[in-house]
This record gives sequence, structure tokens and C-alpha cells, in this order.
Amino acid sequence: SQQGEEDPQALSIQEGENATMNCSYKTSINNLQWYRQNSGRGLVHLILIRSNEREKHSGRLRVTLDTSKKSSSLLITASRAADTASYFCATDNKLVFGAGTILRVKS
Amino acid sequence: GAVVSQHPSWVICKSGTSVKIECRSLDFQATTMFWYRQFPKQSLMLMATSNEGSKATYEQGVEKDKFLINHASLTLSTLTVTSAHPEDSSFYICSATGIRALTGELFFGEGSRLTVL
Repeated sequence: SQQGEEDPQALSIQEGENATMNCSYKTSINNLQWYRQNSGRGLVHLILIRSNEREKHSGRLRVTLDTSKKSSSLLITASRAADTASYFCATDNKLVFGAGTILRVKS
Repeated sequence: GAVVSQHPSWVICKSGTSVKIECRSLDFQATTMFWYRQFPKQSLMLMATSNEGSKATYEQGVEKDKFLINHASLTLSTLTVTSAHPEDSSFYICSATGIRALTGELFFGEGSRLTVL
């Protein structure tokens, strides 16, 4: 069964807008990671947040983690057309990915 | 970041034949490699975890005799799809982690698209 579940399943926004996607997981974790996948390609690691962290930034990315709710969010600010991809979260225990959020940024 | 190379990137084969996919870590020692399968517009499904020098651990529902995994060195793991059938057509992705990835970060290959006719 999947450990991480992302929502929304799909998100379409205009260039320049912010995109927020969420991830919920089932069991306790040591860390949670966000990955990006362009169509037909491998996954690229974006950011990792540890269980004792609540928020982390990396460039235009902001990740939050709420271990009490077993959820995380990924915010992409000032989105670009090149951000169009699928985004997945994964937790450390089982490295099982959710179904992903398909983000489409329209220019 | 670290580089993981996967080969071939795509392969077409006839039903009943076997296909081998290689996953190489080019600039680090991959103590653990993972093999995933991905259907169109779906998530990655973990198939198996392989540690260098030991037998792979398969996920529930994955046939070990169908999907042979070998991790003979710290830089190479192979997945062999034996007696392939059309339903085995999929996108297969490997990932690796190792000493460099102390935080558990995974480095992914570019994937191999298998089409079985």
C-alpha cells in the first residue's frame, strides 16, 4: 500500500502564481522527501525535511511538515512553465511514493 | 547531485524473450538500489530492494522468478524481466542510495521503457 498520498491530483495555474500541493502519510517517519518527475523521465530530488523540522526553504520551494497531522506541503512560488511536472512525496521508512500531483504551469 | 545511469532507455522485445536493464551509479558507491515500476500517469511502485552482495528483497506481489535482480557490485544492479509478456510493458526506474547519501536521499536513473509485443 502507498505510504504517501498527494493532493490535489492535478493542478493548473498561470505562470507567476504559487502552487501548493499536499502530502499525507500513514506511519511515523524520520524524514519526508519531495521529488519531481518530468514526463517519461526519472525523478529528481527536490528537498528533504526531517521529522524534527517544521519548515524548510530551498530557492522557490518551501516545504512544511506537521507530524501531528502526518502531512506535508510543498509550495512553489512564482511558478514557471518549466515547473510543469509531476511531484511526489516519499517517506524514509519504505520509500513508497504516492500517486503524485500533476502540475501544469501555463505561460 | 550524484549520477545514476540506466540502460537501455527504451527497449522493444518479443513476447517470451528476456530483457536486462542495467542501473549504474557513476560517481558514488550504491550500497542499496531500488527498482520501481511505473504505469502511465501513476505512481512508482516499489518492486524490490537490493543490497550489494546479497539477495534482493521483493515487495509483496512481485514475482522474484519473473523479475531477477542482481546487485553484484557497489556500482551496478541489473533487473532482468524473464519471459516477458505484453503486460510487463511499463516504465522501469531504478534509484540508488549509498554512503554519500547520508540523509537517505535517493538518486534516480532516467528510466527504461519496456514494450513487449
